[in-house]
Amino acid sequence: ELKVEQNPLFLSMQEGKNYTIYCNYSTTSDRLYWYRQDPGKSLESLFVLLSNGAVKQEGRLMASLDTKARLSTLHITAAVHDLSATYFCAVWTGNQFYFGTGTSLTVIP
Amino acid sequence: EAGVTQFPSHSVIEKGQTVTLRCDPISGHDNLYWYRRVMGKEIKFLLHFVKESKQDESGMPNNRFLAERTGGTYSTLKVQPAELEDSGVYFCASSQVGRVFNEQYFGPGTRLTVT
Repeated sequence: ELKVEQNPLFLSMQEGKNYTIYCNYSTTSDRLYWYRQDPGKSLESLFVLLSNGAVKQEGRLMASLDTKARLSTLHITAAVHDLSATYFCAVWTGNQFYFGTGTSLTVIP
Repeated sequence: EAGVTQFPSHSVIEKGQTVTLRCDPISGHDNLYWYRRVMGKEIKFLLHFVKESKQDESGMPNNRFLAERTGGTYSTLKVQPAELEDSGVYFCASSQVGRVFNEQYFGPGTRLTVT
């Protein structure tokens, strides 16, 4: 079974700081997603990464994919309070998603 | 356009009771997925419908779980009888058939607590 390891599980960071969330997966896949979930809300799609070396940026978030290393990163630049949420990576195998455990991010003023 | 909706948002039941969760996908989405997140763990796939047919139910934990999608619209997930380990958040997602990226739209989830 495909394993997706996401770390850290919990992240508390100050506003204005940078940090990276890591997502490792155990088998070949060429499609990786990042989702955000606010408490009690739906998972919201942030990025779809389709190929090796793919990099996508939206505001203070930047996601990258290294299919050879089976690693994706979500980099947060100059964090703001609005980014507080739980972030999930998910690997698509062609017929189902395998999710990471999620990273609960709290941005402290 | 309305998103994926789920009902109820929370359910607290006793061990041995029955609970039915409902998911209404986005109109026109033939793919419907159920997932579950047990506290602190990853979101796990349960099953996938294409219209009213079960395409993949490999993630269903055991035969206490029954999913239906009559008429290919909304879906229900029944747990009977519920056990303590069934507690968690149950998510539903839908997507359009044939889309290259298979972008799934998730509902807010139903938090099930079995006491």
